[in-house]
Amino acid sequence: DQQVKQNSPSLSVQEGRISILNCDYTNSMFDYFLWYKKYPAEGPTFLISISSIKDKNEDGRFTVFLNKSAKHLSLHIVPSQPGDSAVYFCAASFLNTGKLIFGQGTTLQVKP
Amino acid sequence: EAQVTQNPRYLITVTGKKLTVTCSQNMNHEYMSWYRQDPGLGLRQIYYSMNVEVTDKGDVPEGYKVSRKEKRNFPLILESPSPNQTSLYFCASSFQTGQETQYFGPGTRLLVL
Repeated sequence: DQQVKQNSPSLSVQEGRISILNCDYTNSMFDYFLWYKKYPAEGPTFLISISSIKDKNEDGRFTVFLNKSAKHLSLHIVPSQPGDSAVYFCAASFLNTGKLIFGQGTTLQVKP
Repeated sequence: EAQVTQNPRYLITVTGKKLTVTCSQNMNHEYMSWYRQDPGLGLRQIYYSMNVEVTDKGDVPEGYKVSRKEKRNFPLILESPSPNQTSLYFCASSFQTGQETQYFGPGTRLLVL
C-alpha cells in the first residue's frame, strides 16, 4: 500500500523552462511534506518542505504547492538548470512521530 | 565538517552470514534513521530512533535490527542476510524529529549472494 506516490518515473525539460514534479498521497493525517534531491552515488539532500497548514512555500527557484483537498503536492523549479538533473523524492510525515514515507522518485533531466 | 558516515560503502556477502553496517553522525542530532533504496520503490524506512535507547520500526523492519546505545551511532544489523536484502542503504540524522532537514550518509551498497 503505497501511501505516497510519484506517478511519473521521469521528466525531461529544456533549460530555462519550468519543471513540475508531482506527488500524491492517500493519508489525510500527514502533517508535513518534504522534497529531497538525489544525485547518483550520493545520499539524498533536503530541498524544501511545507507544513499541512500552508498551501505554498518558496525558496529561490523552488516552490512547493500543497492541495490538501486533492491530497496532492507539486514542486516547481523555475528556471530549470542542467544542474537540477537528479532524482527527486517527495516524502510525508506525521507530527513528531519520526516516521517518514517516501515516494518512488522522479528522475528529472534538464537539457541544455 | 558536519557529516553522516557509513561503513562499509560496498559489501558482498553470502546468505546467512551476519553483518553490521555502521552509521555515525557528528552533529549531536537526536534523530537517526535507516532507509533502503530499491528500483521502482524509492526510499523505504527500515528503523528510526528519536533518542538514545529509543528505536521504532519503519515500513520495512523485517530481517533487520538496530541499536542506539549512544547518540552519535546507529548501527544496522542483518542477523541472517537473504538475497532480498540486496539493496542500497542510507543512514540519516536530523536535529530532533526527522521532520527537519535530514542529513544523509553516502550510502552502502549491499549484495547478498
